[in-house]
Amino acid sequence: DAEITQSPRHKITETGRQVTLACHQTWNHNNMFWYRQDLGHGLRLIHYSYGVHDTNKGEVSDGYSVSRSNTEDLPLTLESAASSQTSVYFCASSESLGPINEQYFGPGTRLTVT
Amino acid sequence: TQLLEQSPQFLSIQEGENLTVYCNSSSVFSSLQWYRQEPGEGPVLLVTVVTGGEVKKLKRLTFQFGDARKDSSLHITAAQPGDTGLYLCAGGLETGANNLFFGTGTRLTVIP
Repeated sequence: DAEITQSPRHKITETGRQVTLACHQTWNHNNMFWYRQDLGHGLRLIHYSYGVHDTNKGEVSDGYSVSRSNTEDLPLTLESAASSQTSVYFCASSESLGPINEQYFGPGTRLTVT
Repeated sequence: TQLLEQSPQFLSIQEGENLTVYCNSSSVFSSLQWYRQEPGEGPVLLVTVVTGGEVKKLKRLTFQFGDARKDSSLHITAAQPGDTGLYLCAGGLETGANNLFFGTGTRLTVIP
């Protein structure tokens, strides 16, 4: 069965370190998204990609970067981790855009920056 | 400010009761989706509505898209403990971007 996986599921890191969160999907979807989920804010879009070599900034992109070298993977990098980036991170993918943009989510990565 | 406001934020009810949660905005959406999220997992899509006034049913869950496509509601009949979770609405704006905007969610607890 097709799926979307994230690793690691939990990560503790120190302020200032570079951290990369992995996202891998076997749906063969062109569209991939990274969100963070915080109490009181819901899910907020960090970065997204509509295909290989395409990346775009979302609502809360400062301090984060992504690259898309193939269809299956969209790793999220925190260049220099800050305590404000402690959050739960979700990756998602979708087949189509426009009105029917139905997204499939991974299980999430809980990141703590100390 | 949130583009989509959900109410109530928290809801605790007894098994067998009915409930309605709301998702409101001042913006017009081309579609509205509802997701359910359980602890430690990612959101799972329940339904997509695209036409103003549209009503969709999924067993005991009834979803409605407002006539003006600015709001939506989710009604659960005879709630079960298995309905416990975080309910999120998400909308795609009619103008421009293809991305979804998520509400802050309604956390539902159904007590046996």
